[in-house]
Amino acid sequence: KQEVTQIPAALSVPEGENLVLNCSFTDSAIYNLQWFRQDPGKGLTSLLLIQSSQREQTSGRLNASLDKSSGRSTLYIAASQPGDSATYLCAVKSSGGSNYKLTFGKGTLLTVNP
Amino acid sequence: SAVISQKPSRDICQRGTSLTIQCQVDSQVTMMFWYRQQPGQSLTLIATANQGSEATYESGFVIDKFPISRPNLTFSTLTVSNMSPEDSSIYLCSVERGVSYNEQFFGPGTRLTVL
Repeated sequence: KQEVTQIPAALSVPEGENLVLNCSFTDSAIYNLQWFRQDPGKGLTSLLLIQSSQREQTSGRLNASLDKSSGRSTLYIAASQPGDSATYLCAVKSSGGSNYKLTFGKGTLLTVNP
Repeated sequence: SAVISQKPSRDICQRGTSLTIQCQVDSQVTMMFWYRQQPGQSLTLIATANQGSEATYESGFVIDKFPISRPNLTFSTLTVSNMSPEDSSIYLCSVERGVSYNEQFFGPGTRLTVL
């Protein structure tokens, strides 16, 4: 059974800092890994999708890496801004019988202070 | 990406009643997914809904409690039946899009509070 862990559970940084969020998963036989952002009481916004054959993906100030063999992914946020404050969720898509299933971590709550 | 809308956005319900949540997608999709996010927890898949067939439920979720309809390729409903306070959660609809249909997109969610 796939399990996804995110560290730290919460992070508070001053504006302008670069930061790294960590995600680990137990079963390396994944199809892809996706990072999401969730604002309080809202749905999820897809940030980056990394296919199992890829090592990293970049979008603006965000860079996500994937090391499938060690079961790890990181989300790097450059020059953080107060608007980046949200919960960041890592989700791994892997085989769940007849379909692929998405397994989520519990998220990292990021607060960027002005 | 995908444009997904949900109704209602939030509701407060009494114990023992039922609530039906609607999910509308901007274009046709094969599978639609329903997730639950309990307070302080991450997302858990409830069921997968294919058009024209019975929904497939995950372990711990049953059709009598969470009946799902999928009348066409752009719409689905999830009913939370005989509600108790433990059903208070955010319920989210999701679809797959993109190359190989493997990127997941989510609706804005329905925040349910059961008193």
